Amino acid sequence: HVQLVQSGAEVKKPGASVKVSCKASGYTFTSYDINWVRQATGQGLEWMGWMSPNSGNTGYAQKFQGRVTMTSDTSISTAYMELSSLRSEDTAMYYCARTEPNWGVDYWGQGTLVTVSS
Amino acid sequence: QAVLTQPASLSASPGASASLTCTLRSGINVGARWIYWYQQKPGSPPQYLLRYKSDSDKQQGSGVPSRFSGSKDASANAGILLISGLQSEDEADYYCMIWHSSAWVFGGGTKLTVL
Repeated sequence: HVQLVQSGAEVKKPGASVKVSCKASGYTFTSYDINWVRQATGQGLEWMGWMSPNSGNTGYAQKFQGRVTMTSDTSISTAYMELSSLRSEDTAMYYCARTEPNWGVDYWGQGTLVTVSS
Repeated sequence: QAVLTQPASLSASPGASASLTCTLRSGINVGARWIYWYQQKPGSPPQYLLRYKSDSDKQQGSGVPSRFSGSKDASANAGILLISGLQSEDEADYYCMIWHSSAWVFGGGTKLTVL
């Protein structure tokens, strides 16, 4: 069955970067895109962007352009999301999520809590 | 004005039906859009429920009961998630989502209370 397993919780200082991983299993990794969505505590879902493990193409939400980088390593079926210049407002649960090209999210990772605090 | 607007909360009784709306901003036509719906329970990631474009173009998520269904109200420019035969386990947050301007956009979510 499809699984997306994310890396563990992170605590970072303002100005630092964080890199979250998402290991996929149960399907052909290169046949689906990986999206990243975040959720601050008690708040709604916020889409950050997508990447295609097949082509390496990416698309980022305007809000995160210049600060986020999404990559993958197809040899280990793992996607990565790196967010730089962290600030307290970036404290949130970060989810990876699978989409079939041109379709919406059907599977989600368990989430990675990123805390930004001095 | 937000792209997608959902009521913040909704309450309904066990066994009843609940209609959750997702209203698209004026100028974004619901007619040709796929509307996606997700359920999120506390401490868990969202789960895919279904996507709906029309009665002939829809998809139920794997393992999602048929008492969850989608529809549209064109006059209100809204997508609708209908949950029939409400159960206590349906108490959760529900989010709609569309593709708009090269981005996935979520509604603010509706907290459904079953009491």
